[in-house]
Amino acid sequence: QITLKESGPTLVKPTQTLTLTCAFSGFSLSTSGVGVGWIRQPPGKALEWLALIYWDDDKRYSPSLKSRLTITKDTSKNQVVLTMTNMDPVDTATYYCAHRPANTYSDTFDVWGQGTMVSVSS
Amino acid sequence: QSVLTQPPSVSGAPGQRVTISCTGSSSNIGAGYDVNWYQQFPGTAPKLLINGDNNRPSGVPDRFSGSKSGTSASLAITGLQAEDEADYYCQSYDSSLRGSNVFGTGTKVTVL
Repeated sequence: QITLKESGPTLVKPTQTLTLTCAFSGFSLSTSGVGVGWIRQPPGKALEWLALIYWDDDKRYSPSLKSRLTITKDTSKNQVVLTMTNMDPVDTATYYCAHRPANTYSDTFDVWGQGTMVSVSS
Repeated sequence: QSVLTQPPSVSGAPGQRVTISCTGSSSNIGAGYDVNWYQQFPGTAPKLLINGDNNRPSGVPDRFSGSKSGTSASLAITGLQAEDEADYYCQSYDSSLRGSNVFGTGTKVTVL
């Protein structure tokens, strides 16, 4: 059974850097084709894809946020970390991590974490 | 701003058929990239509903179906049930955005 769980601060101040951790189980991020993505959702708004890291350490970022995002993985710890710099109140959202299965041609997110709400306020 | 456009809301009576459109362009859906659909209930994480345009993961009722034509994709719900009231999102890949995934604007389905 695949599970993912996000963790990190619930409140950050403007201009600070946000660091979120996705702890997962039930799969290995060293398996060919597998990935872990991050998606966020501001209150009452749509989903927004942020970043994705693949088993081979290939990384993809949302073009509009690329300069602020860094995604890394620790295969031995079964964790993926997302950092977002220069946080702003518009970054207030629920942040989700999700599993990208190996057996799909394109990026699909078949199992999601419960999400973690991050508020940006001074 | 998303490059995949969905109607903000659709509604139908129990038992009816409703469809949700996802309109893209030649750099995403029109280029043949797979479209996935997700269902989200308030306060919960999205759930994969359709993958690869028209495939239902195990456990998804067969009243949900996906299709794609040209630069658009659609999700159909036949035999609408009260429990289908939720938000629905399409997702695809866009080659103009340097390897970026994109989600649709989202559609609220209301069961009358």
